[in-house]
Amino acid sequence: NAGVMQNPRHLVRRRGQEARLRCSPMKGHSHVYWYRQLPEEGLKFMVYLQKENIIDESGMPKERFSAEFPKEGPSILRIQQVVRGDSAAYFCASSPTGKGNQPQHFGDGTRLSIL
Amino acid sequence: EDQVTQSPEALRLQEGESSSLNCSYTVSGLRGLFWYRQDPGKGPEFLFTLYSAGEEKEKERLKATLTKKESFLHITAPKPEDSATYLCAGPHGSSNTGKLIFGQGTTLQVKP
Repeated sequence: NAGVMQNPRHLVRRRGQEARLRCSPMKGHSHVYWYRQLPEEGLKFMVYLQKENIIDESGMPKERFSAEFPKEGPSILRIQQVVRGDSAAYFCASSPTGKGNQPQHFGDGTRLSIL
Repeated sequence: EDQVTQSPEALRLQEGESSSLNCSYTVSGLRGLFWYRQDPGKGPEFLFTLYSAGEEKEKERLKATLTKKESFLHITAPKPEDSATYLCAGPHGSSNTGKLIFGQGTTLQVKP
């Protein structure tokens, strides 16, 4: 499967724990975007990364959230000390370039539930 | 402020009953307008990119069109398998990073 791969598909955490979401982009894509979909809301941009660089994190909450895309391995979205309001579906997308005129291709998301 | 608005929020059609979904946008310097389909529990699946007013793209029963202010997704003789949420998105106007602004989506239900 050459598509965007996200894991885990479902993640359950208790308040105060850490959540780590992983994303492997499509083959040949080096630009990764993370979006969050809250219940009954649309997709909202969080962060844009290239290999080893955060390019735009304007949609990321200032505290507890971080993202990385190392030289080797998947992109990671990390949420520390999770709270109930973090419950959402988190989607990763990739594109071959970072230009706005290229479509982004999405994975099937990680559904995070906070107990 | 860049904004993408879709209407209606929900649409119920009988199989074979054609209709259109609307996406209006206020994005400065639009570099592309994207349509996606999202099934429950899945990620958005790319359908079309439209770049300039007057452009049209087709795929099976779907046709997307673009004017200077809005885009339409026309569904001709829909089938139950066309039931899904259809999302419209545009790249943020003042950003060079390609981050997308999404509409709230139109949830389409096609009854046999």
